[in-house]
Amino acid sequence: GENVEQHPSTLSVQEGDSAVIKCTYSDSASNYFPWYKQELGKGPQLIIDIRSNVGEKKDQRIAVTLNKTAKHFSLHITETQPEDSAVYFCAATGRDDKIIFGKGTRLHILP
Amino acid sequence: GAGVSQSPSNKVTEKGKDVELRCDPISGHTALYWYRQSLGQGLEFLIYFQGNSAPDKSGLPSDRFSAERTGGSVSTLTIQRTQQEDSAVYLCASSADRGAWQPQHFGDGTRLSIL
Repeated sequence: GENVEQHPSTLSVQEGDSAVIKCTYSDSASNYFPWYKQELGKGPQLIIDIRSNVGEKKDQRIAVTLNKTAKHFSLHITETQPEDSAVYFCAATGRDDKIIFGKGTRLHILP
Repeated sequence: GAGVSQSPSNKVTEKGKDVELRCDPISGHTALYWYRQSLGQGLEFLIYFQGNSAPDKSGLPSDRFSAERTGGSVSTLTIQRTQQEDSAVYLCASSADRGAWQPQHFGDGTRLSIL
């Protein structure tokens, strides 16, 4: 069935360093890949998304890359700051107007 | 502007009781999703409403779970005869139109605890 794998489950990086989260998906028909950030006690918030017709998208310190051949995509956060600490979810479109979420990555930014 | 609103924010109830969770989507959004998030886990799809179409109930875990959406706006998720394994955060999201490529906007969820 449809599946999205996300790694790592936990990531600690020094403030100012870069963080990379990787996801793979199983459905070759997937064509939209959003990333969500969830802070404690809050709902997930869309931070960036990419469609299958582009290979990379950047928004300030955040970038996402997509490799459709290998069916994987990644989130890159540069110059990390304390407020980047949160849980990040990748997702990919599945069938019937649904998106399939990864299990999340807990990102800790160390002072 | 108003985002997705969920109520209550927290609900504690005894095993066997029924609960109703409410979601007010963003005005004008035709698509509405319910998800369940267990502690430290990802988002489990429950049900999807799109306009006047029949809802996609394929994610509901048992017949104790049901949902409705009145007038294409407010939605209620009902869990009957609650069990301890129902304890989780229930999240609602809405999007402007049908299609999985439409960005979903989430509420802050209802944290349900079954004693």
